[in-house]
Amino acid sequence: QVQLVESGGGVVQPGRSLRLSCAASGFTFSRSAMHWVRQAPGKGLEWVTFISYDGNHKYYADSVKGRFTISRDNSKNTLYLQMNSLRPEDTALYYCARGYDHTPESWGQGTLVTVSS
Amino acid sequence: DVVMTQSPLSLPVTPGQAASISCRSSQSLVDSDGNTYLSWFQQRPGQSPRRLIYKVSNRDSGVPARFSASGSVTDFTLIISRVEAEDVGVYYCMQGSQWPPITFGPGTKVDIK
Repeated sequence: QVQLVESGGGVVQPGRSLRLSCAASGFTFSRSAMHWVRQAPGKGLEWVTFISYDGNHKYYADSVKGRFTISRDNSKNTLYLQMNSLRPEDTALYYCARGYDHTPESWGQGTLVTVSS
Repeated sequence: DVVMTQSPLSLPVTPGQAASISCRSSQSLVDSDGNTYLSWFQQRPGQSPRRLIYKVSNRDSGVPARFSASGSVTDFTLIISRVEAEDVGVYYCMQGSQWPPITFGPGTKVDIK
């Protein structure tokens, strides 16, 4: 079955960078679009970014545009999120999710990012 | 951006009784391809979100039949016909028709009376 395992979270100071990874298995990763969605502590869900199956199309939420970059390595079945210029409001649990029909369909367990001095 | 609203935001329910959650969008969710990309997600305490419903009324594999959904254009509803203890959690509607961005509702917290 679909398995998505996020990693790379941690505590980071404002203005610094962090790269998240999402290891995929149980489906044909190279044929699947992918999303990142985040959830601040005690809050709701916020879509962050999307990448098409081949990496040619990428979309971002306005809140992260210009700071975050989504990418993928289909040879490694891995999705990435490069996060630069981090802000305290980026503190959240970050989920990767397989995309299908414009929807984050299957989700990982998430990796926690805390931005604090 | 499409704004999604839900009501109620909190829903105490008696086991065995029905529960209904409303979701409204600020714009029509009918996509140019004719589909309506409105989904419902369940997030149990301490767990990741799980999609229950896609394209308004289609149940995902493994989702109990007591979950049903309907609606069109801007008004949508999720119904749990007979609530069980395992249904406790937060329910989100989400639109993927007018995107980017994909947008979620604020969530409805369902708990047991």
